[in-house]
Amino acid sequence: DTAVSQTPKYLVTQMGNDKSIKCEQNLGHDTMYWYKQDSKKFLKIMFSYNNKELIINETVPNRFSPKSPDKAHLNLHINSLELGDSAVYFCASSQVLGLSTGELFFGEGSRLTVL
Amino acid sequence: TQLLEQSPQFLSIQEGENLTVYCNSSSVFSSLQWYRQEPGEGPVLLVTVVTGGEVKKLKRLTFQFGDARKDSSLHITAAQPGDTGLYLCAGSYNQGGKLIFGQGTELSVKP
Repeated sequence: DTAVSQTPKYLVTQMGNDKSIKCEQNLGHDTMYWYKQDSKKFLKIMFSYNNKELIINETVPNRFSPKSPDKAHLNLHINSLELGDSAVYFCASSQVLGLSTGELFFGEGSRLTVL
Repeated sequence: TQLLEQSPQFLSIQEGENLTVYCNSSSVFSSLQWYRQEPGEGPVLLVTVVTGGEVKKLKRLTFQFGDARKDSSLHITAAQPGDTGLYLCAGSYNQGGKLIFGQGTELSVKP
């Protein structure tokens, strides 16, 4: 039973297109995240939601729009895709404890290739 | 911008050798985590350290948190090919729980 699942696993598309990645967690966690891992394997946080509310919004182009319909789901929609958006996007969830972050449970990643 | 510097970035060793990976910052962490990521998968937590000077062991892996809580190290004894992967440190700086990741260390252990 997969804890954090994201779809699709692979996405190849043309520049200028719009695409979405979906994420679901069955761990009962309150907090979900989107991270971007670039070609150098650097993992950078993009967004964080706690109980459907946006709590972290890093410097990300507004072409990226997250949506959390409920605390078990966090989707990422990307408009007008650019070459530089090519990366692996990871969804994660955790149970935040006070000011410290608990263990992050990651999905398998969605590899986006923009041609 | 708070940075977590991880070194070395790449490490290729023979089976049976020992190695140490370092994670440093100019800021104090409230907690620090180490993750391991295999190709095609997401990172998986190895350990969390919270107290300055703390040492935790996980079989052949030893994790140390600096006394000042600004640095950490991961030591692997008698590395095996199964240890191959990307090792990531991640720190929380008491800012609403945001976790900042280091650049990662790609470890390759050859039989």
